[in-house]
Amino acid sequence: DAKTTQPTSMDCAEGRAANLPCNHSTISGNEYVYWYRQIHSQGPQYIIHGLKNNETNEMASLIITEDRKSSTLILPHATLRDTAVYYCIVRVGNQGGYQKVTFGTGTKLQVIP
Amino acid sequence: EAGVAQSPRYKIIEKRQSVAFWCNPISGHATLYWYQQILGQGPKLLIQFQNNGVVDDSQLPKDRFSAERLKGVDSTLKIQPAKLEDSAVYLCASSRGGMHSPQYFGPGTRLLVL
Repeated sequence: DAKTTQPTSMDCAEGRAANLPCNHSTISGNEYVYWYRQIHSQGPQYIIHGLKNNETNEMASLIITEDRKSSTLILPHATLRDTAVYYCIVRVGNQGGYQKVTFGTGTKLQVIP
Repeated sequence: EAGVAQSPRYKIIEKRQSVAFWCNPISGHATLYWYQQILGQGPKLLIQFQNNGVVDDSQLPKDRFSAERLKGVDSTLKIQPAKLEDSAVYLCASSRGGMHSPQYFGPGTRLLVL
């Protein structure tokens, strides 16, 4: 899996958009970008994934640059419950789900009242 | 649907003792994972099962750790004997096993080795 680089920590005001960057400059053509988050004392939670097009679901939006070397996870209206560590992961997608997901240290997002 | 269940939630043992953790994945999920998460770090994959077969155990310390998934459903992870550095949260996750199948994690078991 390609290596990712994320800021160690970020703050965001409650109600504002939280934009979490991820650099994956060595990503290869068949590697997908996945985001998970881990709220304190809980297991990680899947958020969203994408290959090259922007993606949106009920939790967040994922913007991937045209060269695919970086991406941004957007939480449109951050709440206190979004305070967590956010992990950006790149992995190959194929049938069978045998890929190993390698977590880094992620970005600790603190949402401030 | 019910989530991934793990037990116990907490365990305190002395070094050189044995301990076992149990995981019940989401119904119908073929792939099961065990991770170790040391404080301040991201989860590290220990072992990955596809049904009841092992597909990746390259980071499992096999001299003291073992895992099984009988009948392709529940799984147990055992440590024998435990060391101080095994203090961590042990996370179980499952996925359908499809091309873009996300992993769903349980709450974890927090182990303290004294």
